[in-house]
Amino acid sequence: EPEVTQTPSHQVTQMGQEVILRCVPISNHLYFYWYRQILGQKVEFLVSFYNNEISEKSEIFDDQFSVERPDGSNFTLKIRSTKLEDSAMYFCASTYQGMDSAEQYFGPGTRLTVT
Amino acid sequence: AQSVTQLDSHVSVSEGTPVLLRCNYSSSYSPSLFWYVQHPNKGLQLLLKYTSAATLVKGINGFEAEFKKSETSFHLTKPSAHMSDAAEYFCVVTGRAAGNKLTFGGGTRVLVKP
Repeated sequence: EPEVTQTPSHQVTQMGQEVILRCVPISNHLYFYWYRQILGQKVEFLVSFYNNEISEKSEIFDDQFSVERPDGSNFTLKIRSTKLEDSAMYFCASTYQGMDSAEQYFGPGTRLTVT
Repeated sequence: AQSVTQLDSHVSVSEGTPVLLRCNYSSSYSPSLFWYVQHPNKGLQLLLKYTSAATLVKGINGFEAEFKKSETSFHLTKPSAHMSDAAEYFCVVTGRAAGNKLTFGGGTRVLVKP
């Protein structure tokens, strides 16, 4: 069964460093998402992406964040200058349709630790 | 605006007994509602979804949920818990007016005792 994959599973970085989190969505999916979950808090929407551009972003997704689909398979989240409060589990998701009833398929997450 | 409240952060059941996970939602439009499950070191997996069709929704692994608009609830149940049901469960709401972004509840961690 096709699945969303994410690498790395765990990333440790120092404050101020740039990190890139990688996701490979399911191959025929068209809509892509990033969510994050800070330890002990709810899963929060960060950004949605369709047709090579951001569809919607949350207040969390400030100028330090960017997303890219550099080729036909990868979907990346970049944090330019990490802060301690960026430590969280980051989930990538994808779906084929843009309908609200469409299931979003999630990856296993990348745990980002900023020291 | 939309929001989800999962009323129990932890639920402990004995194997073979019923499971009830409670979820209340708030939405200013017709919502779509989901339950996702996350096993350790795995991605979030869809259990079931409600999308304005039948109010009683059956999902995978024997789970079902009932949409009650008057109570703004979408509780998840299973008649008989299995050890493999130990996981974290998330109630989620979305809708076309929300740009299809998912809004998650806080999660309920289920422990199944032998």
